[in-house]
Amino acid sequence: RKEVEQDPGPFNVPEGATVAFNCTYSNSASQSFFWYRQDCRKEPKLLMSVYSSGNEDGRFTAQLNRASQYISLLIRDSKLSDSATYLCAMFSGGYNKLIFGAGTRLAVHP
Amino acid sequence: AAGVIQSPRHLIKEKRETATLKCYPIPRHDTVYWYQQGPGQDPQFLISFYEKMQSDKGSIPDRFSAQQFSDYHSELNMSSLELGDSALYFCASSSLHVTSGGTDTQYFGPGTRLTVL
Repeated sequence: RKEVEQDPGPFNVPEGATVAFNCTYSNSASQSFFWYRQDCRKEPKLLMSVYSSGNEDGRFTAQLNRASQYISLLIRDSKLSDSATYLCAMFSGGYNKLIFGAGTRLAVHP
Repeated sequence: AAGVIQSPRHLIKEKRETATLKCYPIPRHDTVYWYQQGPGQDPQFLISFYEKMQSDKGSIPDRFSAQQFSDYHSELNMSSLELGDSALYFCASSSLHVTSGGTDTQYFGPGTRLTVL
């Protein structure tokens, strides 16, 4: 079983829709979680860190549920430019290598 | 702001050849990570260096080696290349002060696309 499991999608949504992605993790000792966005053939770019209290950045909201060991990403008012693959990730080990989920593909259409 | 630099951006090699990928971290970043991303897969951790010493090792084949130099740039050396080594290789850097328990965002370079024929 992968350390990080992620709903692969794809999610095809119209502009303006609200979409949510979840990601579960198996290592209860994990402390730091992230959402990265990756466009085709490009590098992952940090979208948000995920804090226990939840955090919001504009149309994006990230949540962490330690009891159920999952993190979520909510995107409101989807834009065409949100089309990408969204990777959840967490630190593993003392030197913080990143363990990624398989990624969820989002396609926003007009 | 300065970002992570990787070179070359694209590399085509034949089976059994060698390749060297270079990574220049963001200035004042002390930690470098290498990741491999195969087609349709998520990035997989290969190896990392903190203050020029290997700090962690993942699923890196014995045919690969890496090091971090005094100027903090890192090189990933790949020998006896196989078709399955064709992938995107990302380098990421961060400012990680382990003794203080600090953690920091990993910033990824644009990657090197390696094609083995």
